[in-house]
Amino acid sequence: AQRVTQPEKLLSVFKGAPVELKCNYSYSGSPELFWYVQYSRQRLQLLLRHISRESIKGFTADLNKGETSFHLKKPFAQEEDSAMYYCALSALEGGAGSYQLTFGKGTKLSVIP
Amino acid sequence: GAGVSQSPRYKVAKRGQDVALRCDPISGHVSLFWYQQALGQGPEFLTYFQNEAQLDKSGLPSDRFFAERPEGSVSTLKIQRTQQEDSAVYLCASSRTRGGSGKNIQYFGAGTRLSVL
Repeated sequence: AQRVTQPEKLLSVFKGAPVELKCNYSYSGSPELFWYVQYSRQRLQLLLRHISRESIKGFTADLNKGETSFHLKKPFAQEEDSAMYYCALSALEGGAGSYQLTFGKGTKLSVIP
Repeated sequence: GAGVSQSPRYKVAKRGQDVALRCDPISGHVSLFWYQQALGQGPEFLTYFQNEAQLDKSGLPSDRFFAERPEGSVSTLKIQRTQQEDSAVYLCASSRTRGGSGKNIQYFGAGTRLSVL
């Protein structure tokens, strides 16, 4: 079984300050890790995934298998970053398994002007 | 292009009523997922279709929940004899291929907010 933990329910930072949203996971195999974001009144959308190793909107996340973490970081927060952020894991269980996402409970990021 | 479409956006049901929630995936997407999101929680997996085949229904909370995708496109999630604990946002997601090794991105609909009174 897999589990995703986001320890912070709410994170408030000032504009221009660095941001780190924490995510830890539990899974015995090789996971695929994602960050999804939900802006106010919008649908859930993919922000980034670990295999892409890319920066989206200034955000990066590195998979640390030793610490089983996939923290989301941005050096300088912007007001438009205020949103709900979900860390998610996908894993294949068995030969005919599905590819469902297991989500954390989410962290609400509030960027104070 | 058009994204994943869900209807209705809001549904109020009296306890004991049956409800049907519809999902129109992105055209050509093979995989379709249903998730349930309770207030203050992350989405939780309910069931998965690959084309018309329901390959995983391990997340359905009870036998009152039933999902189908008869022609491999539109899907319906049906909840019989609704209970108050069924109140949640029901999300549908689709992805282009069968998945694996991070090839797939799941695209989400806006969800149906179900309130059971």
